[in-house]
Amino acid sequence: SQELEQSPQSLIVQEGKNLTINCTSSKTLYGLYWYKQKYGEGLIFLMMLQKGGEEKSHEKITAKLDEKKQQSSLHITASQPSHAGIYLCGADAGGKLVFGAGTILRVKS
Amino acid sequence: SAVISQKPSRDICQRGTSLTIQCQVDSQVTMMFWYRQQPGQSLTLIATANQGSEATYESGFVIDKFPISRPNLTFSTLTVSNMSPEDSSIYLCSVESGAHYGYTFGSGTRLTVV
Repeated sequence: SQELEQSPQSLIVQEGKNLTINCTSSKTLYGLYWYKQKYGEGLIFLMMLQKGGEEKSHEKITAKLDEKKQQSSLHITASQPSHAGIYLCGADAGGKLVFGAGTILRVKS
Repeated sequence: SAVISQKPSRDICQRGTSLTIQCQVDSQVTMMFWYRQQPGQSLTLIATANQGSEATYESGFVIDKFPISRPNLTFSTLTVSNMSPEDSSIYLCSVESGAHYGYTFGSGTRLTVV
C-alpha cells in the first residue's frame, strides 16, 4: 500500500520567513494533493500536481512534484499568521486518497 | 468545484448511543468518501459509498459499526454505532471535484463520546 511521509512534523516560524514542507511517497505518485486544515475543521484544497517536474503557485504558496514523481514540496514565501494550520499531502491511490501525517505550522508575529 | 454541506458540525454523545452524520452535495457525484481523523492524527478512509450499491469498507472498518446510506447521487449518511470514547474523532465526507480541484471535503463533524 502507498505511504506518505511528511516532514517536518511541526514548524514554528517568525512572520515574514520562508518555509518548506516535504512529502515523500513509497510509490510513484499519480496525483499529489496539498490541503490545509484549520484546527478541528475541514480541509481546504490548495493544489494538485500530476506531472513529473510540475510546479504550481497560488498567492505565496508554491508546490512542486519532482521528476521521478515520488517527492513533493510545499513552499511558503513571507509567511503570515493566516498561513498557520495543518498542511496535509494526499496521494491518489486508485480513486481514493491516502494522506501523510500532516505538518503543523505556527507563525509567530 | 463541488460544495458539500455536512452536519452536525459537532456533537457530544453518550457511550453506547449512535450518531448519524449527513453530507449533501450541490451536484451529482458517483462516489462519496467517508474519512475519520482521530485526535492528533491524519485522515483515514473508512469507506467509499456508491449510489445503488453497498459501500466498500477499508480494512479495520465494518458495516455494523459504520453503516452508510447512499439513497441518491447527492446525499449520504454515515452512522457511528454503539459509540465508545475511542470513536471520538473528526469525521469528514469527500467527493471528487474534477481535475482542477481534486477532492472536496465537508467541514467535518467533531464527535466527542463521553
